[in-house]
Amino acid sequence: GQQVMQIPQYQHVQEGEDFTTYCNSSTTLSNIQWYKQRPGGHPVFLIQLVKSGEVKKQKRLTFQFGEAKKNSSLHITATQTTDVGTYFCAGLVEYGNKLVFGAGTILRVKS
Amino acid sequence: DADVTQTPRNRITKTGKRIMLECSQTKGHDRMYWYRQDPGLGLRLIYYSFDVKDINKGEISDGYSVSRQAQAKFSLSLESAIPNQTALYFCATAQGALSYEQYFGPGTRLTVT
Repeated sequence: GQQVMQIPQYQHVQEGEDFTTYCNSSTTLSNIQWYKQRPGGHPVFLIQLVKSGEVKKQKRLTFQFGEAKKNSSLHITATQTTDVGTYFCAGLVEYGNKLVFGAGTILRVKS
Repeated sequence: DADVTQTPRNRITKTGKRIMLECSQTKGHDRMYWYRQDPGLGLRLIYYSFDVKDINKGEISDGYSVSRQAQAKFSLSLESAIPNQTALYFCATAQGALSYEQYFGPGTRLTVT
């Protein structure tokens, strides 16, 4: 079945360092979404990418959607302690009607 | 007030018991979902509903059932709870055919002993 693989599973960085998480799908996606879950909280929508090769930025966060619409990345520049949490990608299968979530990347930031 | 609410927030139950988790939303969304979250496995879809008369199985529906009592309410039942159903359960809503942004409730932490 449809799978969305996400790496790394866990990353611990020093405050001020950059962080990147990657998602790869076994099939082409209609779109990909990114969510953030703070410790003890619930997933919160960050952004949606729809077009091949699309790049979007939100302050220190940069999101990319691959040309083949099978992979995506989230890059955080100069991490802060407020960035801690789990970042999930979620892909909408082409012609599908539900999201498939990656396993998530847990980010810890040392101050 | 929260747009998506879940009750109870925490529950401990024994093996074999029937338990119901409830979800309500005030967002007016048609689509509602139940997920479970386990460490290292992300969010896995249990059931989803696109309107009151529509129920669909997700990837891990065995051992669960759902009821969409109204547009705003979607409940998840464990007919006979077992320990490997211990998890964090999230309800989510979404609206629109092209936009699948999902809004999650606060979650229910369920422990089956």
